[in-house]
Amino acid sequence: KAGVTQTPRYLIKTRGQQVTLSCSPISGHRSVSWYQQTPGQGLQFLFEYFSETQRNKGNFPGRFSGRQFSNSRSEMNVSTLELGDSALYLCASSSRGPFGETQYFGPGTRLLVL
Amino acid sequence: DAKTTQPNSMESNEEEPVHLPCNHSTISGTDYIHWYRQLPSQGPEYVIHGLTSNVNNRMASLAIAEDRKSSTLILHRATLRDAAVYYCILRDLYGQNFVFGPGTRLSVLP
Repeated sequence: KAGVTQTPRYLIKTRGQQVTLSCSPISGHRSVSWYQQTPGQGLQFLFEYFSETQRNKGNFPGRFSGRQFSNSRSEMNVSTLELGDSALYLCASSSRGPFGETQYFGPGTRLLVL
Repeated sequence: DAKTTQPNSMESNEEEPVHLPCNHSTISGTDYIHWYRQLPSQGPEYVIHGLTSNVNNRMASLAIAEDRKSSTLILHRATLRDAAVYYCILRDLYGQNFVFGPGTRLSVLP
C-alpha cells in the first residue's frame, strides 16, 4: 500500500499571502488529521476530518482551515500568512480498529514565511 | 487525554538494549498507551501500542506496569537508525486527537 503523500514538500511564501497544502491518505483510510510542528511548540494538532466532516479542531486561529473530499484527500489552507506560521505541516491518516487507532504520517510540507 | 512524562534525552550504545520510560500516573482504564518515533526530517512513525498486557512486534516491545501508571518501550538492539525522538501518548479508544508531548530524544553511539 502506498503511504501518506503530501504536496508540495517545500514552500516559500511572504507575509500576507495564503497557502494550500494537500494530503493524500492511505487507500481505505477515511480519517485525516493535520499537525503543525515547530521547534518551540512541538507537534500541535490542527484539525481532523472524517468522511468530509471536520470532527475535531485544535486551538488555532480561523486563518487555518481545511477540507476533505469524497475520495478522502484533504487540503489545508492558511490565509494571511504570518512569520510564525513557518513550520513543518504534517498530515496523518488513520484506521480505527477494535484496539485503538494508529496514525500514519506523511513526510510533511515545510513552509517558510518571509 | 491524560498526560505523560518522559526524560528529555537518553543515550545508548549501538547493539545494546534501550529502555525508554514513560510515566502516566493519571491513566484511565480505557486509555491505550501508544509509542511513536520521529526520525530526523521525517514525519512520526508508529512503533507500538497496548492496553494492559506487554506487547511485542518486529520493531520493539512494550512493557506495561501492573498498575498501568508507567510503561517502558524496549528496543532490543539499538542501531544508528533508531536515533530519533520517541513519543509516549495516551489515548482513549474513542479519543479525540493524539496529544504529543516533547518526547525523549534518543542518541545512539557507534
